[in-house]
Amino acid sequence: KAGVTQTPRYLIKTRGQQVTLSCSPISGHRSVSWYQQTPGQGLQFLFEYFSETQRNKGNFPGRFSGRQFSNSRSEMNVSTLELGDSALYLCASRRQGASDTQYFGPGTRLTVL
Amino acid sequence: EDQVTQSPEALRLQEGESSSLNCSYTVSGLRGLFWYRQDPGKGPEFLFTLYSAGEEKEKERLKATLTKKESFLHITAPKPEDSATYLCAVQFGGATNKLIFGTGTLLAVQP
Repeated sequence: KAGVTQTPRYLIKTRGQQVTLSCSPISGHRSVSWYQQTPGQGLQFLFEYFSETQRNKGNFPGRFSGRQFSNSRSEMNVSTLELGDSALYLCASRRQGASDTQYFGPGTRLTVL
Repeated sequence: EDQVTQSPEALRLQEGESSSLNCSYTVSGLRGLFWYRQDPGKGPEFLFTLYSAGEEKEKERLKATLTKKESFLHITAPKPEDSATYLCAVQFGGATNKLIFGTGTLLAVQP
C-alpha cells in the first residue's frame, strides 16, 4: 500500500507571496492533518480535515488555510508569506478514529526569502 | 494545560550500550501514546502505539512501555543506524483529535 505523498518536496518563495501544498493520504484513510515543524518549536498542529470538513484547528493565523476534497486529498495554503513561515510542512493521514495511528508523509520544505 | 515532555533532549551512546528515553505527560483522558522516529529532512516514521498503562510493544531493538504518567522507549544494544530523533505524541480525549508532540530526543549511536 502506498504511503502518504506530498508535493512539492521543496519550495522557495519570497515574502508576500502565497503557496499551496498538496497531500495525498493512504488509500482508505479519511482524515488528514497538517503540521508545521521548525527547529525552535518542534511539531505544531495546524488543522485536521475529515470528510471534507475541518474537524480541528491549531493556533495559527488565518493566513494558514486548508481544504479536503471528496477523494480525501488535501491542500493547505499560506498567504502573504513571512520569513517565519520557513519550515517543514508535514501531512499525516489516519483511517478516521481519534485513536487511530497517524502516518506521515515526507514533508514539503518551504523556504521564504 | 496538556503537556508532553521528553528527556533527555540529546543522548549519545556507544554501539551496544543500552539506554532508555522518557516521555512524560500531563494529559487528562489519554486515548493513545505514539512513538515515532524521524531522520533529518524526512517525515516521522511510525514505531508504536500504546493505549493503556502496563502495555508493552517490541520491535527489533526497541521496546516501548506505558504507565499512567509516562512512557519509556528502551533501546537494547543499539547500532549506528538507530541514530535519529525519537518523537513521542499523545492523543487526549474529548472532542478534539489533535496530537500533542514532545520536542523529541536526538539519539546518536557511535560505532
